Amino acid sequence: GAVVSQHPSRVICKSGTSVKIECRSLDFQATTMFWYRQFPKKSLMLMATSNEGSKATYEQGVEKDKFLINHASLTLSTLTVTSAHPEDSSFYICSAKKASSGSRTDTQYFGPGTRLTVL
Amino acid sequence: AQSVTQLGSHVSVSEGALVLLRCNYSSSVPPYLFWYVQYPNQGLQLLLKYTTGATLVKGINGFEAEFKKSETSFHLTKPSAHMSDAAEYFCAVSPSRTGANNLFFGTGTRLTVIP
Repeated sequence: GAVVSQHPSRVICKSGTSVKIECRSLDFQATTMFWYRQFPKKSLMLMATSNEGSKATYEQGVEKDKFLINHASLTLSTLTVTSAHPEDSSFYICSAKKASSGSRTDTQYFGPGTRLTVL
Repeated sequence: AQSVTQLGSHVSVSEGALVLLRCNYSSSVPPYLFWYVQYPNQGLQLLLKYTTGATLVKGINGFEAEFKKSETSFHLTKPSAHMSDAAEYFCAVSPSRTGANNLFFGTGTRLTVIP
């Protein structure tokens, strides 16, 4: 199998605080992980691509200092939403590609998502 | 540039009826095309994908999709709907140059199956 977990599944925080979301590949090693954001009734939007041991690559319009990504090991990537505001409330989804994957056609395996609500 | 349009945010079918979920894409280079399914409180699961070769692609759970370049479409079908098919379905495209590293998703279609 190829299971990806996220923790927490739901989080509510006060405006101005920081929130960390973890993405783990449970039964495989992932050199590349992806972070998406999903707004209600909207498609998933890629925020950044996270490579183990190197800096994340952010998509245009995504603030690097706002959304801190760390990919410290082959099974864990974290997304920290710093100084969260109500407009950051959203559904955040991660995905991972297997470390053995060298093909462009290989699959991304998705986590169940984390719903962030900022009050 | 790549983009995906899924016609119909909600589709309802009777159990046993044909399922047809529409997806049209725009891509400046030959595309890779994907269908994902999302069950409540679960992550996206790959149903099927088209990269090269045969344009009719068969996936899991009896689903299939056909890549039609002339129509820029990749519609998802299943001959007979089952109650367990009720879920959210997402079509995605990626430029073949970068492949599955760069997915562009549609807004999703929620499938309801009526007993």
